[in-house]
Parts: sequence; structure tokens; C-alpha cells
Amino acid sequence: GENVEQHPSTLSVQEGDSAVIKCTYSDSASNYFPWYKQELGKRPQLIIDIRSNVGEKKDQRIAVTLNKTAKHFSLHITETQPEDSAVYFCAASIWAGTASKLTFGTGTRLQVTL
Amino acid sequence: GAGVSQSPSNKVTEKGKDVELRCDPISGHTALYWYRQSLGQGLEFLIYFQGNSAPDKSGLPSDRFSAERTGGSVSTLTIQRTQQEDSAVYLCASSARQGARNEQFFGPGTRLTVL
Repeated sequence: GENVEQHPSTLSVQEGDSAVIKCTYSDSASNYFPWYKQELGKRPQLIIDIRSNVGEKKDQRIAVTLNKTAKHFSLHITETQPEDSAVYFCAASIWAGTASKLTFGTGTRLQVTL
Repeated sequence: GAGVSQSPSNKVTEKGKDVELRCDPISGHTALYWYRQSLGQGLEFLIYFQGNSAPDKSGLPSDRFSAERTGGSVSTLTIQRTQQEDSAVYLCASSARQGARNEQFFGPGTRLTVL
């Protein structure tokens, strides 16, 4: 089955700096890669996703890149703000237009300091 | 509209007891998922239901775990003869059947503590 590894497990950046979180996956059939943000005591929420037919996607200060050959994908947050502090999870799935399970990484705790 | 809801929010039980956790998905969502999140860990897939299809049970850790979904809506996750290692937050999610993305909307979770 699919295995997703995520690094680093913790990340501390100063406000305004950029943060990068990296994930690798094992199943070359995976084609859908979402990122979820989980604030302390809250439920995970989707922040951005990418499908395997594109290499990069951007939404304001957040971007995701995908390298299918290397089976790597990364989350980039620019101009970080204190409200970006949370745990971020990457995930992978085989998406064919219907339900499919997500295999999650172990999470990255991002701390944005003033 | 209303999001995914789960009950109870917290459950404390003694080792060996059975527990039932409930999930109410977003109205109209045909897919329902159960995940488990242990302290400081990622989300571990347990089971999902899609419409009338047979559920994917590939993530259930043992035969003490089972789930059902009645009427294509509410789901119940049952853990029999609970063990201390079952202590975790159990998260339910739902998604629409089709679309350009597999966005899963999560509930607030049920924190299970097995003493």
C-alpha cells in the first residue's frame, strides 16, 4: 500500500519568512495530493491540493509543487504570519472521480514566531 | 450549512468494554470515512463507505473494529473489548461523490480514552 513520509516534524520560522514542508510517496499510481491544516484542538481542513497532471499550484501565499518522477511534493508558505502556526499534513490518494482513502504523512508542526 | 458532526466528543471507558462512536456526515455527501489520530501522530485510515458499494475495510486494525452506515447517512464505528492502545481521537469525514477534487470535510472527532 501507499506510504507517505513527511519532513520536518517541527519547523520554527520568524514572521515574514518562508516555510517549506516536504513529502514523499511510494505508490506511483497516486494522483491526488492534498494538504490539510490542523490548528490546536480543531479539525483538519483542506488548504490546497494538486493533481498529478500539473507540477505546481498556487493560492495566495500558499503553493504546492509536485515531482512525479521523484515522487516528491512540497508545500511552500511565503510571508508567514502567526495564524499560520498549526500542524500541516500532506496526503496522497488514487483519485478517479469518486471516493478514495487518503494516506497521510505524520505531520509538521509549524511555529511562526514574532 | 451544517458540517460533519460526531458524538460523543469525549468517551472514557474501561479496558474490555465496547464503545460506539457516531458520525453524521454533511447532507448529500455519499462518501464517509473514518480515521484515527493518536497523540502526536498523523491520521490513520480505518474504513470508508461510498454509496451502496461494499465498504473499504482495509485500514481496520483488528476484528474488534467494525463500522456500519445505515440509510446511506449516519455511521457508527464500534470497538469491541477496548484496549489501552485504542486510545486516540477518532475522526470522521465525508465528501461529495464526484468532482474535481477529493475534498474530505472532517468532523470535530471523538476523543476515546481507555483506562
